[in-house]
Amino acid sequence: AQTVTQSQPEMSVQEAETVTLSCTYDTSESDYYLFWYKQPPSRQMILVIRQEAYKQQNATENRFSVNFQKAAKSFSLKISDSQLGDAAMYFCAYRRYNTNAGKSTFGDGTTLTVKP
Amino acid sequence: EAGVAQSPRYKIIEKRQSVAFWCNPISGHATLYWYQQILGQGPKLLIQFQNNGVVDDSQLPKDRFSAERLKGVDSTLKIQPAKLEDSAVYLCASSLDSLNTEAFFGQGTRLTVV
Repeated sequence: AQTVTQSQPEMSVQEAETVTLSCTYDTSESDYYLFWYKQPPSRQMILVIRQEAYKQQNATENRFSVNFQKAAKSFSLKISDSQLGDAAMYFCAYRRYNTNAGKSTFGDGTTLTVKP
Repeated sequence: EAGVAQSPRYKIIEKRQSVAFWCNPISGHATLYWYQQILGQGPKLLIQFQNNGVVDDSQLPKDRFSAERLKGVDSTLKIQPAKLEDSAVYLCASSLDSLNTEAFFGQGTRLTVV
């Protein structure tokens, strides 16, 4: 079974600084997706960024970028120029290719605090 | 576009009571999911519907949990009788298609069983 591990239960960053959230996963599959989700205190989870395993290029969405190391099974999220609105719980998730959209395996999350 | 709607937002019940949660997915989304998110953990899938049929309920504790999606739109998740360990946030999500697409989440219902 696939597992997703987020080893940092809590992280904090100063506003305008950069922070990196770590994630490792375990799978025997070669085709899969990896995701980072943001869950603010209001609890609606939203997709931040998505990476297809077959793509060597790291995904980027504005201030959010990932460092995908397929051989090491590592998938970290970098948030640049951190803003107060980035404060939330961040979940790393894995999903096998050609499986249902909601069948992701989630890590236990990292709570990010942004200090003004 | 309206998002996934869930109600109530909060619910407190005593153990052994029953409770029901409601979810209205994004219009046109055929697939609907219910998750349980225990404090300090990531969401875990309980049940998946495709239209009004159950696709996967392998993780649903069927002795006390039930769910239905009549007419393939709204869905309800019921717990009867509730246990202390059912305290969690119950998330509903929907997706346009079941494969290789994105799931959109509701705000969830926070259940406290005392």
